[in-house]
Amino acid sequence: DIQMTQSPASLSASLGETVTIECRASEDIYSNLAWYQQKPGNSPQLLIYDANSLADGVPSRFSGSGSGTQYSLKINSLQSEDVASYFCQQYNNYPTFGAGTKLELK
Amino acid sequence: EVQLVESGEGLVQPGSSMKLSCVASGFTFSNYGMNWIRQAPKKGLEWIALIYYDSSSKYYADSVKGRFTISRDNSKNTLYLEMNSLRSEDTAMYYCAKFGVGGYFDFWGPGTMVTVSS
Repeated sequence: DIQMTQSPASLSASLGETVTIECRASEDIYSNLAWYQQKPGNSPQLLIYDANSLADGVPSRFSGSGSGTQYSLKINSLQSEDVASYFCQQYNNYPTFGAGTKLELK
Repeated sequence: EVQLVESGEGLVQPGSSMKLSCVASGFTFSNYGMNWIRQAPKKGLEWIALIYYDSSSKYYADSVKGRFTISRDNSKNTLYLEMNSLRSEDTAMYYCAKFGVGGYFDFWGPGTMVTVSS
């Protein structure tokens, strides 16, 4: 199985700040990476696929980048509605997820 | 609008069986692979099973292989998960999720809770 190491596990940031979450794969996943947002009590929602493609309806302050084994999700100008947990997922092989990042407001 | 709605929530004893359903609408169900993904309380996400659009192939995570069976009925737009020999570690919210064009999950249901406890 491909292991996904996500960091940080938790993050506290202020409104308007830029936030970056990272994921490292145990082997090259050739940009077969997605990011999801999960708000408390809700199911996950797709934010980014193919490492850098924005899913339909997702605000442009979200962006993804990376290649090989290293990937990141950036949130520009943090809004209150961005408080959530974020998960990366690789799909180069059987799907595996990162452990998640809980984002809170400072 | 794509909708996925799971059902089959409940509390069961260890060693027992349970079957979950997921009814799909808003897209051509028979054209897409489907998945079950679970999330233990306060934990991360674990993919557990996938089925091709035509049921020609099925794959399972090691944690459920031999105990769980994924199936679908395209005439009813419904995905199933038959769970046998349930263990306490199977306690989780179970989500059905649709494959996007790639191997990512572009739509998820709200989930159904399965609790395995004596």
